[in-house]
Amino acid sequence: EAGVTQFPSHSVIEKGQTVTLRCDPISGHDNLYWYRRVMGKEIKFLLHFVKESKQDESGMPNNRFLAERTGGTYSTLKVQPAELEDSGVYFCASSSATVVYEQYFGPGTRLTVT
Amino acid sequence: EDQVTQSPEALRLQEGESSSLNCSYTVSGLRGLFWYRQDPGKGPEFLFTLYSAGEEKEKERLKATLTKKESFLHITAPKPEDSATYLCAVRDSGGYQKVTFGTGTKLQVIP
Repeated sequence: EAGVTQFPSHSVIEKGQTVTLRCDPISGHDNLYWYRRVMGKEIKFLLHFVKESKQDESGMPNNRFLAERTGGTYSTLKVQPAELEDSGVYFCASSSATVVYEQYFGPGTRLTVT
Repeated sequence: EDQVTQSPEALRLQEGESSSLNCSYTVSGLRGLFWYRQDPGKGPEFLFTLYSAGEEKEKERLKATLTKKESFLHITAPKPEDSATYLCAVRDSGGYQKVTFGTGTKLQVIP
């Protein structure tokens, strides 16, 4: 069974540009989460989808971040326009509807904004 | 706001030298405490979930325990392959699934 995959693995962009990160959860997992770890800090929750609906987006830092989950499958996280403080590693995780608390993480996307 | 504090930040052990990692937490109604392992360049890998004080879970050389204020991850006779960053996280009694992470303990086991 394929795990959670994320693309790209690394992205370097200039301040003011737009970047879109993609996450493919484990097949059949209804729950999808986005997290972020900035340098030296803990992993922080961004938002949670149940199928295609946003269940909790309390961790989204501001309106420059837009997350979507088309048809309840893969998800994208767009940052527009990117700022220097957006640099960090963005993780996606998924969990099933029956074992909700066991979240399986992807390898992350390292975003560097210069 | 939920808080998770892990100690020590880093730990260096000789192979076979048992030790414990600490996770102290403050949460409004614990709905779950989670331990993850993270290797460099990879995402966190789920290890255990603990739900109530007194609960214990074991997996190979790892044993996680939980009290009302903290959790311990005991590592018995560690091997070099146990080297990783160990993360602790909690979920509160709110209606959502988000978890709050600590900054982790980086464990190095020397042959």
